[in-house]
Amino acid sequence: AQSVTQPDIHITVSEGASLELRCNYSYGATPYLFWYVQSPGQGLQLLLKYFSGDTLVQGIKGFEAEFKRSQSSFNLRKPSVHWSDAAEYFCAVGGNQAGTALIFGKGTTLSVSS
Amino acid sequence: GAVVSQHPSWVICKSGTSVKIECRSLDFQATTMFWYRQFPKQSLMLMATSNEGSKATYEQGVEKDKFLINHASLTLSTLTVTSAHPEDSSFYICSAKGRGAGGYFDEQFFGPGTRLTVL
Repeated sequence: AQSVTQPDIHITVSEGASLELRCNYSYGATPYLFWYVQSPGQGLQLLLKYFSGDTLVQGIKGFEAEFKRSQSSFNLRKPSVHWSDAAEYFCAVGGNQAGTALIFGKGTTLSVSS
Repeated sequence: GAVVSQHPSWVICKSGTSVKIECRSLDFQATTMFWYRQFPKQSLMLMATSNEGSKATYEQGVEKDKFLINHASLTLSTLTVTSAHPEDSSFYICSAKGRGAGGYFDEQFFGPGTRLTVL
């Protein structure tokens, strides 16, 4: 079955500390992987994506993610968190076919403490 | 990147009425559009997939007679919630995948969402 697991429902980090959000996936074909961020009442903003090539991808706002095929993981990282990073983060997987929808994880809520 | 708009951004309606939500691709041709629903504090759940000019394919458990989807053109898809009830209150998000001037996009682009509240 195709699925995305985000093991951490809620994470709190101190401002300036590093962050890692975990994502594991199960997908039958070559996966396209995404991380989105959503602020309360807002739509989704794409942070970064992985299609192929270099397994370490850089995104916006200082985020990066590493694709590890052997572990079926695509963890999101940021070296120094800012208070404005507090939001809901979703990992998603999809295929490259035109009609393929994304499968989302349940999300991780990030809180940033001062 | 490509832009997807949704209208309205929020709507409040009485129980039993119908509500139409529009999803438009502003600068590309959306050959496929997706409709998702998101309940508070939960993830996005795919409701249906529609290809331009074809009937929508609904996910299991989604009532096609209640959630009418029309994808009549390459830039517009509509979701009509018929006879809405309070349990239909949710955040509805569309996304679109297709082609621009440079060819087909590998990713889909999300609209900003529509908050539906049924009283």
